[in-house]
Amino acid sequence: NAGVTQTPKFQVLKTGQSMTLQCAQDMNHNSMYWYRQDPGMGLRLIYYSASEGTTDKGEVPNGYNVSRLNKREFSLRLESAAPSQTSVYFCASSVEPQETQYFGPGTRLLVL
Amino acid sequence: GESVGLHLPTLSVQEGDNSIINCAYSNSASDYFIWYKQESGKGPQFIIDIRSNMDKRQGQRVTVLLNKTVKHLSLQIAATQPGDSAVYFCAERNGNNRLAFGKGNQVVVIP
Repeated sequence: NAGVTQTPKFQVLKTGQSMTLQCAQDMNHNSMYWYRQDPGMGLRLIYYSASEGTTDKGEVPNGYNVSRLNKREFSLRLESAAPSQTSVYFCASSVEPQETQYFGPGTRLLVL
Repeated sequence: GESVGLHLPTLSVQEGDNSIINCAYSNSASDYFIWYKQESGKGPQFIIDIRSNMDKRQGQRVTVLLNKTVKHLSLQIAATQPGDSAVYFCAERNGNNRLAFGKGNQVVVIP
């Protein structure tokens, strides 16, 4: 099992550009999450999907959209990137909401 | 890789000694707790978990202790090794359909 995979690993964007971060899990988990991590601030939840077909806002959803494409895949879209969105983005999954989450390797995003 | 440990409390420990990492949680209704390890440039990795009906749980070289009276969680690592150098953070399940993560502690193992 690959666990949770994320693409791309690194990305540089100019302000105003758009992009989609991809996440897939092969553990048959019901719930998936997107976090951002900034130095000294810990993980902050952007959006989550408790089960296929549902999505909900987390702590910092502004400037982002998500799509739960199927049970395996959960994508995060930045429609118009801003320098404040420079961060490391982690996708995670869990069997059920609030159970142990397993994380992907992250996407490092720099917005100029 | 980038550092996620900037401005975090740092514990320096000699190789072979035991490490104790502490976490204070905020919600007395939290019923499930998890410890994660994050190495530089990598995603968080599950270490061990504990439910609120337990005080102690042991894994391989790690022990988690839960003190609900003072809302305190600790992770003990036995015979610390260089590969244990990382940021460690706790997470609590507080009933909001999500986990709440702490900011973490940086552990530096001195060879």
